[in-house]
Amino acid sequence: RKEVEQDPGPFNVPEGATVAFNCTYSNSASQSFFWYRQDCRKEPKLLMSVYSSGNEDGRFTAQLNRASQYISLLIRDSKLSDSATYLCAVNSGGYQKVTFGTGTKLQVIP
Amino acid sequence: DAGVIQSPRHEVTEMGQEVTLRCKPISGHNSLFWYRQTMMRGLELLIYFNNNVPIDDSGMPEDRFSAKMPNASFSTLKIQPSEPRDSAVYFCASSFFGTSQYNEQFFGPGTRLTVL
Repeated sequence: RKEVEQDPGPFNVPEGATVAFNCTYSNSASQSFFWYRQDCRKEPKLLMSVYSSGNEDGRFTAQLNRASQYISLLIRDSKLSDSATYLCAVNSGGYQKVTFGTGTKLQVIP
Repeated sequence: DAGVIQSPRHEVTEMGQEVTLRCKPISGHNSLFWYRQTMMRGLELLIYFNNNVPIDDSGMPEDRFSAKMPNASFSTLKIQPSEPRDSAVYFCASSFFGTSQYNEQFFGPGTRLTVL
């Protein structure tokens, strides 16, 4: 089993829709979780950290489910500009080193 | 505020040549990471430094790859000799490692390497 797994997609959703992605991780000792966004031919950019209690930033909500070992990202009221690949990252071996998933591609359609 | 700076942005070279990639981390950050991204393997950690000291180089594919961090504001990743399978985007990232469990990494724009 891979350390961090994501559904590669693509997820094709209409503007205004709500979409959710999951990311599963194998190391039950993991403590730090992140969502990054990567546009085509660009670098990954931090979208949000995922805290134990869950957190929200505008239209984006991140949650952690320790029992089932996954994190989720919910995007409400999708915009065309949300089209990108979303990478999850989970710490592996201390708090510095993280392992990235291969990403989930989102395409928001007019 | 300057982010992570990488150079060159694009590199095209011939098999067997030496390639040197450069990175300047965000000022004040004490951790630096080198990643490689390909379609097949995604984003892979090659090596990371803390306070200029290499901590984990288990991701370095083979002896052809080497990385140095002579000071807090500069790092290099060298491939010698280069091979076509080294073609990828190489990212440098930096973070501040302190007492928090959350050490967000910030990425540079990457170097797109093509080895012919």
